[in-house]
Amino acid sequence: DAGVIQSPRHEVTEMGQEVTLRCKPISGHDYLFWYRQTMMRGLELLIYFNNNVPIDDSGMPEDRFSAKMPNASFSTLKIQPSEPRDSAVYFCASRTSGLQSYNEQFFGPGTRLTVL
Amino acid sequence: GQQLNQSPQSMFIQEGEDVSMNCTSSSIFNTWLWYKQEPGEGPVLLIALYKAGELTSNGRLTAQFGITRKDSFLNISASIPSDVGIYFCAGQARNAGNMLTFGGGTRLMVKP
Repeated sequence: DAGVIQSPRHEVTEMGQEVTLRCKPISGHDYLFWYRQTMMRGLELLIYFNNNVPIDDSGMPEDRFSAKMPNASFSTLKIQPSEPRDSAVYFCASRTSGLQSYNEQFFGPGTRLTVL
Repeated sequence: GQQLNQSPQSMFIQEGEDVSMNCTSSSIFNTWLWYKQEPGEGPVLLIALYKAGELTSNGRLTAQFGITRKDSFLNISASIPSDVGIYFCAGQARNAGNMLTFGGGTRLMVKP
């Protein structure tokens, strides 16, 4: 079975540019989470979806960040305009709501974003 | 919000030694998870714990859900070089809905 798929794996962009990160969750998983990881702050939850609907976006840093999930197999995290302080590794994770192991989140390989 | 204190922050050990790390919280947790992250990769789930007092093994790894529901421990026996990585605990607090809180990680280095 394929795990969570993220693209691109690496992104280097200049300040002010728009950045779009993509995620395909594990098939059958109905929860999708976006995290950001930095040395200073560790793993931070940005937003999560259930059945394609955003449930909690309180972790989204500011209006420059937006996330969508148009269908069960695809989500995007967009930063516009990007700033150097957005440089981090962004992870997508998914999980099922089934009774067994319902809290176990499975992570993708991450997108390393560098904003110059 | 919930806080998870993970210790130690880093460990540098000799191959073959046993390793212990732990996470503590001021809140009660319903679930404890342990992940390992290797350079350039995402966290990989190692062990999941759902009941207070539960002790679960996965090969050389053993984790326990503390009886107070506020802590968890991970032990690695007879460490090998491929154990190198960052180990994270994560917990779901009683009132946290579907969200996990992550510890700061324990960076493990193993000297052959």
